[in-house]
Amino acid sequence: SAVISQKPSRDICQRGTSLTIQCQVDSQVTMMFWYRQQPGQSLTLIATANQGSEATYESGFVIDKFPISRPNLTFSTLTVSNMSPEDSSIYLCSVPTSGSYNEQFFGPGTRLTVL
Amino acid sequence: AQSVTQLGSHVSVSEGALVLLRCNYSSSVPPYLFWYVQYPNQGLQLLLKYTSAATLVKGINGFEAEFKKSETSFHLTKPSAHMSDAAEYFCAVRTDTGRRALTFGSGTRLQVQP
Repeated sequence: SAVISQKPSRDICQRGTSLTIQCQVDSQVTMMFWYRQQPGQSLTLIATANQGSEATYESGFVIDKFPISRPNLTFSTLTVSNMSPEDSSIYLCSVPTSGSYNEQFFGPGTRLTVL
Repeated sequence: AQSVTQLGSHVSVSEGALVLLRCNYSSSVPPYLFWYVQYPNQGLQLLLKYTSAATLVKGINGFEAEFKKSETSFHLTKPSAHMSDAAEYFCAVRTDTGRRALTFGSGTRLQVQP
């Protein structure tokens, strides 16, 4: 199993500012996923981050709003830019098991509140 | 495109009673199906997964789920609910082709009454 940590665990931010969320994995993984869980709702995929290439964004999510970096095989960041109260959510990173996509491990999440 | 539907956003059972959480999927190719649990203020934990090896899948904490292709269902059950089972449960699907990420259902909040 993979151990995933995220920083910060939670934050309260002002409208118009940006927050960068870090995701650290204890093993090398090719693919990492970023999800958003809005209050009381399910998880929605934001983007897939592969090391050495541009992230692939899902419909409704754009790079200018959610820029992603993937500098190496154990680390990724997601930035929530120009935040509004609608961005208040839990943001989670996820990785598949090594050599298989039949299981995914999730980080503990970053709980973001935008005032 | 793949999708999952979870019937019932809230389910309440008595301690010791049967737990049944419903999940139906839609997929044009054989799916991989998952149940995750999310305890309050915690991340997601995998309960069990179906990857075509066996239709009846046993998971952690006494949960199991049965894949029924004819009904396109993957319902989660537990014979006897425990207070500690109170949580949010998510059904998710992935197909072997195309996107590698998971598509989640809307979730079911399980309450266990003493």
